[in-house]
Amino acid sequence: GAVVSQHPSWVICKSGTSVKIECRSLDFQATTMFWYRQFPKQSLMLMATSNEGSKATYEQGVEKDKFLINHASLTLSTLTVTSAHPEDSSFYICSATPGVPHNEQFFGPGTRLTVL
Amino acid sequence: GNSVTQMEGPVTLSEEAFLTINCTYTATGYPSLFWYVQYPGEGLQLLLKATKADDKGSNKGFEATYRKETTSFHLEKGSVQVSDSAVYFCALILNTGNQFYFGTGTSLTVIP
Repeated sequence: GAVVSQHPSWVICKSGTSVKIECRSLDFQATTMFWYRQFPKQSLMLMATSNEGSKATYEQGVEKDKFLINHASLTLSTLTVTSAHPEDSSFYICSATPGVPHNEQFFGPGTRLTVL
Repeated sequence: GNSVTQMEGPVTLSEEAFLTINCTYTATGYPSLFWYVQYPGEGLQLLLKATKADDKGSNKGFEATYRKETTSFHLEKGSVQVSDSAVYFCALILNTGNQFYFGTGTSLTVIP
């Protein structure tokens, strides 16, 4: 089946630094990728939708300048948390779709970010 | 709007017990319905799905039937195992859209 990987799986950083998380579709081309955030014992919150070669669409309340998303190729999207603070600590999950039908989304294993 | 409501957990069952996790939805269009499972420290894995009314999704002994009349997609398993301990998410996506709407998740713990 379709596989989506994320790297790193776990990262700890100091407050004020930036962290980049990669999401890759390993065996298919992903026209659209999605970034979610999950707080402990809560559901997934969609942060943004990214289409290859175009700007990401952010959900209401998500800071574009803080969470930079780049979808430079059909197999790679990156989420950069800029000037991270402890409240950004969370579990970040990406998903990818090859296109039609959009309901065929495949989820990555997630990245746990801890900001000290 | 579009939303998914799941029964709140946590749910604790003995091994071989019957499992039901309720899920109801509201949708502005025609949705596909999903159950995802999340094991500790991992991402989401698709458990089963149904794309139209009266469809039954099934996998690994789990089943759910898309009930349009009651707007429900309840998850069931006849005999749970310790390895089924995880968080289960009900979700929908409109057939004309690309955004998932997730329920809040139900934590299941199966004890030997």
